Amino acid sequence: AQTVTQSQPEMSVQEAETVTLSCTYDTSESDYYLFWYKQPPSRQMILVIRQEAYKQQNATENRFSVNFQKAAKSFSLKISDSQLGDAAMYFCAYRRTAGGNQFYFGTGTSLTVIP
Amino acid sequence: NAGVTQTPKFQVLKTGQSMTLQCAQDMNHEYMSWYRQDPGMGLRLIHYSVGAGITDQGEVPNGYNVSRSTTEDFPLRLLSAAPSQTSVYFCASSYSRGARNSPLHFGNGTRLTVT
Repeated sequence: AQTVTQSQPEMSVQEAETVTLSCTYDTSESDYYLFWYKQPPSRQMILVIRQEAYKQQNATENRFSVNFQKAAKSFSLKISDSQLGDAAMYFCAYRRTAGGNQFYFGTGTSLTVIP
Repeated sequence: NAGVTQTPKFQVLKTGQSMTLQCAQDMNHEYMSWYRQDPGMGLRLIHYSVGAGITDQGEVPNGYNVSRSTTEDFPLRLLSAAPSQTSVYFCASSYSRGARNSPLHFGNGTRLTVT
């Protein structure tokens, strides 16, 4: 099984500042998809951003962007102009394109936003 | 559009009891899956299915059974509950064929406690 590693169990950021959450993955596959999900205290899982491995351009969604380094197998999430509503658990996920197209998740990073 | 409907939201079982967690989606997704979420462990894949009549094991399948008789439904069965199965369970679905960049759509989760 593919492994997804999030090495920062907890992070904090001042409101309006920028924070970067790290994610690395281990795979021998050349084609795959990567995702970031947000889980607020409500327990709901919310898609933040996605990246296709065959695309060199980094994905962006408003204040959220990724730094995708395929050779390094790294997929970090940058949150700009942090807001109180960004406080949540963030999960990195890897989707296979072979086999059963399964999704694998990291252990998560808990983000605190300080007013 | 209901999305992914997961029931119940909460459940308490005694050791040795059996139960079924229900999951239904109305998006005509081929791919359906079950995860458990434990503190510090992220989301771990229990079982998944790529279509009606097809199921396969994920990372932590022991103690759980699944079936996929229709595209819409993917129930998870605990045959003899154990305290180690105390967790939050998520059902999630996605397009698979021809749309592998499709994200997972999650249910709202079930908090299961086994005493």
